[in-house]
Amino acid sequence: DIVMTQSPDSLAVSLGERATINCKSSQSILYSSNNKNYLAWYQQKPGQPPKLLISWASTRESGVPGRFSGSGSGTDFTLTISSLQAEDVAVYYCQQYYSTPRTFGQGTRLEIK
Amino acid sequence: QVQLVESGGGVVQPGRSLRLSCAASGFTFSSSVMHWVRQAPGKGLEWVAVISQDGTNKYYADSVKGRFTISRDNSKNTLYLQMNSLSVEDTAVYYCARDTSGYCGHWGQGSLVTVSS
Repeated sequence: DIVMTQSPDSLAVSLGERATINCKSSQSILYSSNNKNYLAWYQQKPGQPPKLLISWASTRESGVPGRFSGSGSGTDFTLTISSLQAEDVAVYYCQQYYSTPRTFGQGTRLEIK
Repeated sequence: QVQLVESGGGVVQPGRSLRLSCAASGFTFSSSVMHWVRQAPGKGLEWVAVISQDGTNKYYADSVKGRFTISRDNSKNTLYLQMNSLSVEDTAVYYCARDTSGYCGHWGQGSLVTVSS
């Protein structure tokens, strides 16, 4: 099974500042035949189901604000929120869909400093 | 728009069974791979199972293999999760999710299953 490890476990950032969440996979999730990274990011607010933010490591879902961006390749990935807003307080998860079981990272809790 | 509505959760004693349902609408259910994902109270997300469009291919997390069965009825646009031999460790909110090119593009609101004596 591919193990997904996020860092940090929790993060406090001031409003308007940059937030960076890292995700590392135990093996490469880059599929060489199409050069795509099989990595998604989800946002989960309290009492709500997860919401897809980014797929293919860097493709933002329709309607997701431009301050959210994803980067990385192979085994190391990053979710960046360029200017933190109050509504971004949530837990963020990465997930690999390169293979089954479709494993998630343990989550990163993002708070306002 | 895509809508997924889970039902069937509740309180059940250890060792007993429960079946969850997920009613789908707003998309072509029979063309969609579907997942179950769970979340224990205060914990992270755990992928549980996936089923192919026609129901012939199914995969499970090791933690539920042999106890849980995922199935679907495309004529009813409904996904199921039959859970047998439940233990306290199975207590969680269970989400159904629509697969979009491999990832979970749409999620239901979840159904809470509590295993307790």
